[in-house]
Amino acid sequence: QVQLVESGGGVVQPGRSLRLSCAASGFTFSSYGMHWVRQAPGKGLEWVAVIWYDGSKGYYADSVKGRFTISRDNSKNTLYLQMNSLSVDDTAVYFCARTYGTRPDYWGQGTLVTVSS
Amino acid sequence: DIQMTQSPSSLSASVGDRVTITCQASQDISNYLNWYQQKPGKAPKLLIYDVSNLQTGVPSRFSGSGSGTDFTFTIYSLQPDDIATYYCQQYDDFFALTFGGGTKVEVK
Repeated sequence: QVQLVESGGGVVQPGRSLRLSCAASGFTFSSYGMHWVRQAPGKGLEWVAVIWYDGSKGYYADSVKGRFTISRDNSKNTLYLQMNSLSVDDTAVYFCARTYGTRPDYWGQGTLVTVSS
Repeated sequence: DIQMTQSPSSLSASVGDRVTITCQASQDISNYLNWYQQKPGKAPKLLIYDVSNLQTGVPSRFSGSGSGTDFTFTIYSLQPDDIATYYCQQYDDFFALTFGGGTKVEVK
């Protein structure tokens, strides 16, 4: 069965960096685009970034453009999100999600990132 | 950028009631519209894709309709397990996503 497992979250100081990972299994990872979506405590869902199935293209929300980088290693079935210059506004649960056609159909359970001094 | 306005932000209904949630896009998004259910502490679950298509395994009491800028999500007979927050979501040509603000559904 399809499984997505995020890791790498934690508490980090403002201005520092963090890298999230999303380990995929149960499907041909290299055939699917992947998203990162976040949710601040008590708030709604906010799209962060998408990467195409082969890693050739990536797109970002304006709120993270220039600070976050999405990447993937298809040989390791793993998606990444490199987050630099973190601010308190980046505090959220970060979900990875698989895109099937035009729809994110499977989501991981999320990993919590807390930016605090 | 396309904005998605979802309403109401919350509602309370009885078991067996029909529940309707609307989502309005700031411009024509064709049929690029999905609906999700999210329970507290859990990941979102895809219910409806491309306006009206039921995701595999989702009960038939869930339904979606609409086109262009105006979309509707309906639960035809609310069940206790349907207590959750529901989100609409549109996607553009580059697969960037925009979510509505969410509707929290509670039971009276």
